[in-house]
Amino acid sequence: EAEVAQSPRYKITEKSQAVAFWCDPISGHATLYWYRQILGQGPELLVQFQDESVVDDSQLPKDRFSAERLKGVDSTLKIQPAELGDSAMYLCASSLGVTGATPLHFGNGTRLTVT
Amino acid sequence: QKEVEQNSGPLSVPEGAIASLNCTYSDRGSQSFFWYRQYSGKSPELIMFIYSNGDKEDGRFTAQLNKASQYVSLLIRDSQPSDSATYLCAILAGANNLFFGTGTRLTVIP
Repeated sequence: EAEVAQSPRYKITEKSQAVAFWCDPISGHATLYWYRQILGQGPELLVQFQDESVVDDSQLPKDRFSAERLKGVDSTLKIQPAELGDSAMYLCASSLGVTGATPLHFGNGTRLTVT
Repeated sequence: QKEVEQNSGPLSVPEGAIASLNCTYSDRGSQSFFWYRQYSGKSPELIMFIYSNGDKEDGRFTAQLNKASQYVSLLIRDSQPSDSATYLCAILAGANNLFFGTGTRLTVIP
């Protein structure tokens, strides 16, 4: 079964450093999502792409976070500078459809620890 | 007011019993409802989705939706220890805004 690939699985960084996460969605999935999940909470949407275009980035802290999906396939999420409160699991998901009504398929996530 | 409310639990049931997980939501216009299972340290995986009022069954799982009362529930029959996980309710508000609850942690006791 096709999977959403994410790397790295774990990342430890010091505050004020830059970090980047990579995601490769399931082939043919036009929609890609980045979620942040703080321990004990549900995932919260950071950014949603439709092909290479941003559909929703209203919850993305744009002063320090950036995301791109240049060729409409894989995607990178960057944080610069990292803060202690950014420690969380960063989940990438993809879906076949163009709306949120289509079920999401999640990758294994990147667990970020900021020290 | 949060978009999606779930009892965080933990909910403990004996093996073989029925586990009942509940979720309420605030947006009356919501049309799509999802249940995801998340094992500790893992990513969420979709187990059920429901779009219409009533019940939808898939194996040991039944999703129930009542739009008038704005709640959706998940029943797990013949609960197994392998069902022990956190169950996330997700509601689609608008075309693209998927909101997750905080999840209910379920423990099935052998």
